[in-house]
Amino acid sequence: KAGVTQTPRYLIKTRGQQVTLSCSPISGHRSVSWYQQTPGQGLQFLFEYFSETQRNKGNFPGRFSGRQFSNSRSEMNVSTLELGDSALYLCASRETGEGTQYFGPGTRLLVL
Amino acid sequence: EDKVVQSPLSLVVHEGDTVTLNCSYEVTNFRSLLWYKQEKKAPTFLFMLTSSGIEKKSGRLSSILDKKELFSILNITATQTGDSAVYLCAAIQGAQKLVFGQGTRLTINP
Repeated sequence: KAGVTQTPRYLIKTRGQQVTLSCSPISGHRSVSWYQQTPGQGLQFLFEYFSETQRNKGNFPGRFSGRQFSNSRSEMNVSTLELGDSALYLCASRETGEGTQYFGPGTRLLVL
Repeated sequence: EDKVVQSPLSLVVHEGDTVTLNCSYEVTNFRSLLWYKQEKKAPTFLFMLTSSGIEKKSGRLSSILDKKELFSILNITATQTGDSAVYLCAAIQGAQKLVFGQGTRLTINP
């Protein structure tokens, strides 16, 4: 099976812009979670989607949002970008609601 | 507040040494603990530990969970330069959310 894929891999934006990141889970996986990784804060949970419904959300402002489509692909949107949003954004998929998550390669976002 | 703490944060050893990485957790509704290895990109899965006291092994790597004392260790024997990476542990909270530790940066010198 192909692994989790994320696009784009690298992105440069300026403050105030918005960005949409995409994640395609492993075939058959219905759960997609998003994480932000920064040197200072480590890996932090953003949200999880399962069967097109957001099931859990981390402690991030409302500028961070997401959605999941019927084919389990997920998108994450960040509006009104701030310098502090520069990070590696990882998505992870798993088959059901429990168990091991498998990570994609990440999207590295740089906000100037 | 839910937290996962890893120690040490950084470790430098020589090839062939044995290392032990620690992970302690305080997480509500704890279900399982995961270990990941992260090199330059995405974390890759190593172990999932659900039961206390049962060692899981994969080659030179092994891990065990103590649910009474709320910690886990990851052992790597006969280390190689390819083991250099950041090792992450994460607690599965409920059925959904992962709470990650800060990671241990392991450097293996030849």
